[in-house]
Amino acid sequence: SAVISQKPSRDICQRGTSLTIQCQVDSQVTMMFWYRQQPGQSLTLIATANQGSEATYESGFVIDKFPISRPNLTFSTLTVSNMSPEDSSIYLCSVRGYYQETQYFGPGTRLLVL
Amino acid sequence: SQQGEEDPQALSIQEGENATMNCSYKTSINNLQWYRQNSGRGLVHLILIRSNEREKHSGRLRVTLDTSKKSSSLLITASRAADTASYFCATDGTGANNLFFGTGTRLTVIP
Repeated sequence: SAVISQKPSRDICQRGTSLTIQCQVDSQVTMMFWYRQQPGQSLTLIATANQGSEATYESGFVIDKFPISRPNLTFSTLTVSNMSPEDSSIYLCSVRGYYQETQYFGPGTRLLVL
Repeated sequence: SQQGEEDPQALSIQEGENATMNCSYKTSINNLQWYRQNSGRGLVHLILIRSNEREKHSGRLRVTLDTSKKSSSLLITASRAADTASYFCATDGTGANNLFFGTGTRLTVIP
């Protein structure tokens, strides 16, 4: 199984600022995803991070608000831009390896926006 | 929406009892995966069942899949206080390259 780390693990931010979350995997993976989990809710897919090209966003999520980078097969960043209290959530990085069905998740970044 | 539904939303049992959680989904799937989440932390992968499988076991976990009814169940036998967590099903849909999650069941095991 893949070992995934995220930084920061948690943060408290002011309205209007931006936060970049990093995701590092210990092995090369095909697919990297970013999910959001709002308080007391299930997980919602934000986007698929594509290596060397623009991320693929799900309905309701846009690049200006959630820019994503994936410079190589083991690293990705998600930025939450111009934050509002509604962005307070857990943000989770997830990966899937070559020819693998199982999808693994990082420990999450707990964000509180004041 | 492709999100699945789970029931019950919350379940409280005594240690030693069995816990059953159900998941229903809407689309054709390649597989269905169950995860555990402790207190708002990351998700731990529990078990994967493919669309051509009907039942799978892993330790105290038993998962069933009925593709005709688009439903799955997770049974935890001889529950322990450490099983207290939220449990999510997630479907890997045909033609999709990502998972869609159910609403989750919050399990509390009372010592």
